[in-house]
Amino acid sequence: QVQLQESGPGLVKPSQTLSLTCTVSGGSVSRGDYHWSWIRQSPGKGLEWIGYIYYSGSTYYNPSLRSRLSISQDTSKNQFSLKLSSVTAADTAVYYCARCWSSPCVWGKGTTVTVSS
Amino acid sequence: NFMLTQPHSVSESPGKTVTISCTRSSGSIGSNYVQWFQQRPGSVPTSVIYNDNQRPSGVPDRFSGSLDTSSNSASLTISGLKTEDEADYYCQSYDSSNRWVFGGGTKLTVL
Repeated sequence: QVQLQESGPGLVKPSQTLSLTCTVSGGSVSRGDYHWSWIRQSPGKGLEWIGYIYYSGSTYYNPSLRSRLSISQDTSKNQFSLKLSSVTAADTAVYYCARCWSSPCVWGKGTTVTVSS
Repeated sequence: NFMLTQPHSVSESPGKTVTISCTRSSGSIGSNYVQWFQQRPGSVPTSVIYNDNQRPSGVPDRFSGSLDTSSNSASLTISGLKTEDEADYYCQSYDSSNRWVFGGGTKLTVL
């Protein structure tokens, strides 16, 4: 049974780069027809799709974040990662990684990231 | 791109049936799969419907999903409401480039 776990700093300073990693167990990020996804939820708000990386390495980004966003995968560690540059307080959120597409999404537990000096 | 519009909130009594709509602003609702997520307070979202009307294992058959092409909308119907169904529900679909689109979420109150 696949499991996902987010990791990374809980506090990031404004204008810096937010970096998170999702470690996958019980499945491979380089096999299967899945979207290895990042989703976030700002305090008291709804879900916002950030982007995903396909098992082949192709990436798909939310147009509103595209200029600041990079999603990559490390198949040797069975991980995929998120980098969001030039962060502001508006990027404060719970960040989730998930595996989705043509099957029920499997979500990580989420990690809270606060942008503050 | 298109938007998915959900009612902000719905409420119903235990044992009753409630339907949450998700209306697509442009393009056909049937052209891309719709998923529904349940998020209880303080919890991680979970899938309750995927691929328009498929129920994950472990989700009670009180939950069902459907499409209505006449209103260009998807619906999540929960019958035999229980207090444990009280949660936020989000619909999600894909655009023509396989990018995700979320609805704004619906708060279900069971009272």
